[in-house]
Amino acid sequence: DTAVSQTPKYLVTQMGNDKSIKCEQNLGHDTMYWYKQDSKKFLKIMFSYNNKELIINETVPNRFSPKSPDKAHLNLHINSLELGDSAVYFCASSQASGGQPQHFGDGTRLSIL
Amino acid sequence: QKEVEQNSGPLSVPEGAIASLNCTYSDRGSQSFFWYRQYSGKSPELIMFIYSNGDKEDGRFTAQLNKASQYVSLLIRDSQPSDSATYLCAVTGYSTLTFGKGTMLLVSP
Repeated sequence: DTAVSQTPKYLVTQMGNDKSIKCEQNLGHDTMYWYKQDSKKFLKIMFSYNNKELIINETVPNRFSPKSPDKAHLNLHINSLELGDSAVYFCASSQASGGQPQHFGDGTRLSIL
Repeated sequence: QKEVEQNSGPLSVPEGAIASLNCTYSDRGSQSFFWYRQYSGKSPELIMFIYSNGDKEDGRFTAQLNKASQYVSLLIRDSQPSDSATYLCAVTGYSTLTFGKGTMLLVSP
């Protein structure tokens, strides 16, 4: 009974391709997030949506475009993939924005060839 | 620029000892403080959160917060080999959760 689920778990693709990662939460939370964890294990916020509305957009290249069709889903589309995009991408959710505990999905390991 | 600092470790402790993990943060307006545990190749798992100055205990874990010193710590009593992981400190004001780079804990049998 997974609370925050991401697909796919692994994504191996070539430079220049476009790919999407999907995230769904069944916790009834209002807020969802995308994080990037690089090879040095540093976890950095990319985007946050509250009730389908974008509330946080850190300095992320505009090749990355999040989409939230409803508050239980937050997908991440990446255009023109680059070598530096190789990382683990985590989706997370929290009951509300601002200071609430966040629950993470299992991550998507993206490898660019 | 909000910063959260942790010693990267590894912090090595023998089984049964107390492990003490420390974290400092730069934003005085920070309101909420979290400790996450991350096993290698796995996702961060929330183990403690604290909002007020003082101590908060949950089983073998105690979180300690000192807002005046901008310092938060995690104590793990009776450390077990299964506690070996990276511990991430995370801090937030009203929006972005900022993570430290984590401290690796190794508990030897």
